[in-house]
Amino acid sequence: RKEVEQDPGPFNVPEGATVAFNCTYSNSASQSFFWYRQDCRKEPKLLMSVYSSGNEDGRFTAQLNRASQYISLLIRDSKLSDSATYLCVVIMYSGGGADGLTFGKGTHLIIQP
Amino acid sequence: GAGVSQSPSNKVTEKGKDVELRCDPISGHTALYWYRQRLGQGLEFLIYFQGNSAPDKSGLPSDRFSAERTGESVSTLTIQRTQQEDSAVYLCASSPGVAGGRYQETQYFGPGTRLLVL
Repeated sequence: RKEVEQDPGPFNVPEGATVAFNCTYSNSASQSFFWYRQDCRKEPKLLMSVYSSGNEDGRFTAQLNRASQYISLLIRDSKLSDSATYLCVVIMYSGGGADGLTFGKGTHLIIQP
Repeated sequence: GAGVSQSPSNKVTEKGKDVELRCDPISGHTALYWYRQRLGQGLEFLIYFQGNSAPDKSGLPSDRFSAERTGESVSTLTIQRTQQEDSAVYLCASSPGVAGGRYQETQYFGPGTRLLVL
């Protein structure tokens, strides 16, 4: 399994602020990228896929930088409910399916009132 | 529709006993994954099934761990002679696999089985 790295945090951010964090990956052959959210003692849930051209979903923006081999997640106008651990996922494919799938260890985000 | 389900939700066992964990994936999903997550830690990949292909067992930590999958349905993860360090949440995820001629690898997770080895 190839390495995927995230700053574990915690990131302590006041409510309403904008926060961004990155996920770096070591294998340039990686092809698909996702951000998942995991609440305390809950299972991970898909937040958004990351497309090459970048994509936005409400207050969330995901971007991919292939040259520097990282993906980013930006959260605008942060809410208390955004407090969670954010996991990135990096996938490579071969003819038989997902050849390499790696979760980062997550970035812990705490939104403070 | 029904999501991924796992059973039991909690399991307490004594060191040295065998345990069997079950995962029911979303119907029609060809890919199934098992992960382990220790308290406060990230997800640790264990094993991956894709259709009828040979499973990717590269993440299994020791030969005490094994997993089976019947076709594209239920999977069981078996841990033999459990050790205290096996205590963790065991998460199962499924994804559509190949759909529309391309891979759809968005994973949907079950609620996990919380295993405690005394």
